[in-house]
Amino acid sequence: DTAVSQTPKYLVTQMGNDKSIKCEQNLGHDTMYWYKQDSKKFLKIMFSYNNKELIINETVPNRFSPKSPDKAHLNLHINSLELGDSAVYFCASSQRPPGLATGELFFGEGSRLTVL
Amino acid sequence: GNSVTQMEGPVTLSEEAFLTINCTYTATGYPSLFWYVQYPGEGLQLLLKATKADDKGSNKGFEATYRKETTSFHLEKGSVQVSDSAVYFCALQFYTGRRALTFGSGTRLQVQP
Repeated sequence: DTAVSQTPKYLVTQMGNDKSIKCEQNLGHDTMYWYKQDSKKFLKIMFSYNNKELIINETVPNRFSPKSPDKAHLNLHINSLELGDSAVYFCASSQRPPGLATGELFFGEGSRLTVL
Repeated sequence: GNSVTQMEGPVTLSEEAFLTINCTYTATGYPSLFWYVQYPGEGLQLLLKATKADDKGSNKGFEATYRKETTSFHLEKGSVQVSDSAVYFCALQFYTGRRALTFGSGTRLQVQP
């Protein structure tokens, strides 16, 4: 049973479209994250939610909107997709939020987004 | 700001060779340090960690020692296997404030039989 699962794994779409990526964790963790991994494998934090509350919001275009309906789910919606949005998006969770956490994150397998 | 610098890859080794992947960090204060590994087609997973200076993290034959004086956390393994082929990420985090894990750019390791 996958601990952190993301859907879809692959997404190919045209510029200007709107798309969503969903994430669910069954670990009972309080905190979830979205990271973006670019073509050079560099990982950058985008957002973090703790128990449905947004706690980290890095410098990300407002075309990206996270939504957490409950603490087990964190979805990422992207409007008006651009070529530069092509990347692998990783969802992760931790038992507690940054500042209280042990630093161990549990990652999903990633969602590869290709914008044409 | 905080940052992590790793050696560029790919690192290509023969099986049973000795591995070192360099990692240095820049931070105000003394963060906790981590190594994560990403196997092909998978998400990252924690490999080892150290929370204070001179601590040594170890797991699956890998080791890294937190060196405050050189702000480094180099990853080592005495004898690599083909199954160790993966991308390795160094990362740091402070236990105060709301800052998520900061990752380095990753180093790809390729081990040949």
